[in-house]
Amino acid sequence: KAGVTQTPRYLIKTRGQQVTLSCSPISGHRSVSWYQQTPGQGLQFLFEYFSETQRNKGNFPGRFSGRQFSNSRSEMNVSTLELGDSALYLCASSQRTGDNTGELFFGEGSRLTVL
Amino acid sequence: KNEVEQSPQNLTAQEGEFITINCSYSVGISALHWLQQHPGGGIVSLFMLSSGKKKHGRLIATINIQEKHSSLHITASHPRDSAVYICAVGSGGSNYKLTFGKGTLLTVNP
Repeated sequence: KAGVTQTPRYLIKTRGQQVTLSCSPISGHRSVSWYQQTPGQGLQFLFEYFSETQRNKGNFPGRFSGRQFSNSRSEMNVSTLELGDSALYLCASSQRTGDNTGELFFGEGSRLTVL
Repeated sequence: KNEVEQSPQNLTAQEGEFITINCSYSVGISALHWLQQHPGGGIVSLFMLSSGKKKHGRLIATINIQEKHSSLHITASHPRDSAVYICAVGSGGSNYKLTFGKGTLLTVNP
């Protein structure tokens, strides 16, 4: 069974640009969640998508957005990039069992550098 | 918001030692996650637990919901266990909106 695939793995952007990151979940998983990891703040929850709907959102500005497609693949977009957006962006998929997330399966992450 | 505290922040052990990492949180939850992150970034879910105890190989995780505390134990530690261990709990009324501890950096020397 293929794992969670994130693309691209590495990217460099300049301030003001926008970026789109992609996450393909494990087959059969309909929940995809996104996280930002920085040395200063650690891991922070961005948002969670299930059945093409954003179900939960973290405390990030509106420049951070996402969507999920009918095949459960998800994308996140960051517009008007700032230096502080440099981070490792991780996604995780799960089967979303009832009230709990179920076991989370993480991708390798997309490392974004903003110059 | 659920506050998550892990201790210790750093832990160095000799191969074969018994390791304990602790996690405390401030708001009642229904499930807690233990994650492992090796240098380079990849995160692996070790446990998701809502009560009692779970065991997988040399790893044991326990949770006390009333005391809002969980522990991760590693028996017979090995250098390949060297990694950052992170606990995470639901926050803001949702089990999906995870709040993470800052992690415990474990180094196991041969």
